[in-house]
Amino acid sequence: DGGITQSPKYLFRKEGQNVTLSCEQNLNHDAMYWYRQDPGQGLRLIYYSQIVNDFQKGDIAEGYSVSREKKESFPLTVTSAQKNPTAFYLCASQLPYKNTEAFFGQGTRLTVV
Amino acid sequence: GENVEQHPSTLSVQEGDSAVIKCTYSDSASNYFPWYKQELGKRPQLIIDIRSNVGEKKDQRIAVTLNKTAKHFSLHITETQPEDSAVYFCAATQGGGIVTGTASKLTFGTGTRLQVTL
Repeated sequence: DGGITQSPKYLFRKEGQNVTLSCEQNLNHDAMYWYRQDPGQGLRLIYYSQIVNDFQKGDIAEGYSVSREKKESFPLTVTSAQKNPTAFYLCASQLPYKNTEAFFGQGTRLTVV
Repeated sequence: GENVEQHPSTLSVQEGDSAVIKCTYSDSASNYFPWYKQELGKRPQLIIDIRSNVGEKKDQRIAVTLNKTAKHFSLHITETQPEDSAVYFCAATQGGGIVTGTASKLTFGTGTRLQVTL
């Protein structure tokens, strides 16, 4: 079902802690993305990566960090610097350069407790 | 950067009626406009897309129109059914292409919650 997997589905974090969300794809896609979804605000781009060992900030990168050491994996770390981290996080992958369909993972719902 | 506005935020129609969702974009370089449907608790999935060299595209009950001059595009759903109830997102891409060497960066609208009532 799309070949892109996010884990865990639900995640709880204490204030002041860093937490890492996993995103893995077996679609052989070079481009990968992280979006944050809040009610009424659509999908906002956090970070994106065109190729291994390269990534760029999106519109709301502050308080987040990523890595792209392998083509298949694009983990997102929500740091303690992110003041309002409670949200639904979606990872997506896409063939770059061709304006084609982006495939989404099933999402991770992060809650700060 | 690109800015995509989407209206309305909520839309309620009776089964069998048509639904229209409209989006505008700001970057004249955008050249790919997909529409995604997100059912409750599920991931967004592509339902139809259009490229800037085409003015209209249709797939059964769903159609998308694009007006490059006015920088707006619309989703049309005819003969709506209860299973059409979902949140719909439009998107536009900036850049992207082998020549530019940049990947497509999808910018989404804020979404429209469509409710089809019996």
